[in-house]
Amino acid sequence: DTGVSQNPRHKITKRGQNVTFRCDPISEHNRLYWYRQTLGQGPEFLTYFQNEAQLEKSRLLSDRFSAERPKGSFSTLEIQRTEQGDSAMYLCASSSRSTTGRGENTEAFFGQGTRLTVV
Amino acid sequence: AQSVAQPEDQVNVAEGNPLTVKCTYSVSGNPYLFWYVQYPNRGLQFLLKYITGDNLVKGSYGFEAEFNKSQTSFHLKKPSALVSDSALYFCAVRALLTGGGNKLTFGTGTQLKVEL
Repeated sequence: DTGVSQNPRHKITKRGQNVTFRCDPISEHNRLYWYRQTLGQGPEFLTYFQNEAQLEKSRLLSDRFSAERPKGSFSTLEIQRTEQGDSAMYLCASSSRSTTGRGENTEAFFGQGTRLTVV
Repeated sequence: AQSVAQPEDQVNVAEGNPLTVKCTYSVSGNPYLFWYVQYPNRGLQFLLKYITGDNLVKGSYGFEAEFNKSQTSFHLKKPSALVSDSALYFCAVRALLTGGGNKLTFGTGTQLKVEL
């Protein structure tokens, strides 16, 4: 499977615990994104990497959240001291520069997500 | 701030009939618009995008979308719906990020139900 892979698919954790999610993007994609989706809502942007550099962070990303992409390949999203409000689907996506030469991106390819439930 | 609105939470259509899922946008500058579909317990799948050019954009699975600048709309259409098209559809608008990445702002989604 050459798509975006996310692990685990489901995570149930007690309030106050730390959790870490992993995303493996499409191998040739240098751009990686994290989104959060709550029930009845569209995905909301959290953060963006170009290679290993984290270039953009949303205000939704509180101090308890940290994302890394240490070698410009896979990425991890860690949530410390989880709260019930963190319960959501966490989606990872990747893209690359288009080959059309106009400087556009390819469309973003999304993984299946990690569903987090904080009890 | 850029945004999209999907005015219908749910659209019901009979199989074989044409379907339309509505989306309106609000942007400064030229809009870059997308449609994605989400099946249960699955990630989002790209359907089509409008960047520039023809107002009618063709995409995956027989879907197309019509860009209308005067009405600031980007409605998703299909001439003949299938039961397998039943899913959650999201319209999105792009903002360009530092380094050239795309930040997508999604609508709240429209649940499409196609019945026999």
